[in-house]
Amino acid sequence: GQQVMQIPQYQHVQEGEDFTTYCNSSTTLSNIQWYKQRPGGHPVFLIQLVKSGEVKKQKRLTFQFGEAKKNSSLHITATQTTDVGTYFCAGPATNDYKLSFGAGTTVTVRA
Amino acid sequence: KAGVTQTPRYLIKTRGQQVTLSCSPISGHRSVSWYQQTPGQGLQFLFEYFSETQRNKGNFPGRFSGRQFSNSRSEMNVSTLELGDSALYLCASSSGLRNTDTQYFGPGTRLTVL
Repeated sequence: GQQVMQIPQYQHVQEGEDFTTYCNSSTTLSNIQWYKQRPGGHPVFLIQLVKSGEVKKQKRLTFQFGEAKKNSSLHITATQTTDVGTYFCAGPATNDYKLSFGAGTTVTVRA
Repeated sequence: KAGVTQTPRYLIKTRGQQVTLSCSPISGHRSVSWYQQTPGQGLQFLFEYFSETQRNKGNFPGRFSGRQFSNSRSEMNVSTLELGDSALYLCASSSGLRNTDTQYFGPGTRLTVL
């Protein structure tokens, strides 16, 4: 079945630094969605990418969908303490309604 | 619009017991998905219900079951609880009409099995 993998599993970042987390699917995705879960909270939708090669920005966050629609990345610039949490990517295979989630990248920030 | 609600928020059970969790989706949403979340395991998909029918199922044993009512509210049942069932159980709702739908998660039910 479809598998979605994320690396790294943990990211320890100095405040102000940049980092990137990667998401790879074993099958072509219809779209890719990113969610953020703060400690003690539940996943909250951040953004969705649909087109091959699409790039979207949300303030300091840049999301990219690969040309083959099998991978995605999230790049955060000038990390802040508010960025702490776990970032999940998820996507349905083509013609599927089921969202397969990656294991997430848990981000901690050193002040 | 009210968000997704889950009850109860916390549960403590002992091995061998059974448990029922409830999820009320956002008004108008017809799809409810259930996930199990344990530390380091991410979100493991249990099943999805759409218009009272199970549309997708994950790789969990038959002890895990669910149903959806005509008002889209959903319940999940776990029978013969095991220690490994201790987890945060999240439900998420969406319109269910397109696979580009985003999911709206509830706060989860924290189940502890002793």
